[in-house]
Amino acid sequence: DAGVTQSPTHLIKTRGQQVTLRCSPKSGHDTVSWYQQALGQGPQFIFQYYEEEERQRGNFPDRFSGHQFPNYSSELNVNALLLGDSALYLCASIQSGANVLTFGAGSRLTVL
Amino acid sequence: AQSVTQLGSHVSVSEGALVLLRCNYSSSVPPYLFWYVQYPNQGLQLLLKYTSAATLVKGINGFEAEFKKSETSFHLTKPSAHMSDAAEYFCAVSLGSNFGNEKLTFGTGTRLTIIP
Repeated sequence: DAGVTQSPTHLIKTRGQQVTLRCSPKSGHDTVSWYQQALGQGPQFIFQYYEEEERQRGNFPDRFSGHQFPNYSSELNVNALLLGDSALYLCASIQSGANVLTFGAGSRLTVL
Repeated sequence: AQSVTQLGSHVSVSEGALVLLRCNYSSSVPPYLFWYVQYPNQGLQLLLKYTSAATLVKGINGFEAEFKKSETSFHLTKPSAHMSDAAEYFCAVSLGSNFGNEKLTFGTGTRLTIIP
């Protein structure tokens, strides 16, 4: 059983560009969350999607947006990239009402 | 609002020695508490979780943690360290009443080094 899969694993962008990261949740999971983990820090909650809608959001600017598709997969979009957006972006999935998140291996974004 | 404090950003122990990683939490409601491990260039793997059942929780790879409400602590221990335990460890808290709809709040992590 595949767990949470994320793509791409690594990517490099320049300031001002836009990026899209993708996530396929674990089979049977219907809720997807995104976290940003800066170097040397713990993950920070960006937002969560359920039934194709953003259910809650952390303290991130509107440059960060997302989408969930009918098959529960999700995308994270970041516009107008800043150097400070360089981080590991983690996707996590869960079946609504359960109590354990399953994390993917992450997408490492470098902004030059 | 909930928060987590991990005392000690770096911990070194000798192989075979006791591992103790400290975590204190703050939560306005009974929390759910978690320990995750992260190996280099990998995502997070759940070690164990406390969800208001037994206060002593046993996890994978010989780790365990004890929930102490009076001390607002959830320290992670392992009796005998192994070289493969070298990794980054994160404590996390979530509001227990509505998990699945709530975010995880993570600590800043503790890097565990094992000395041969």
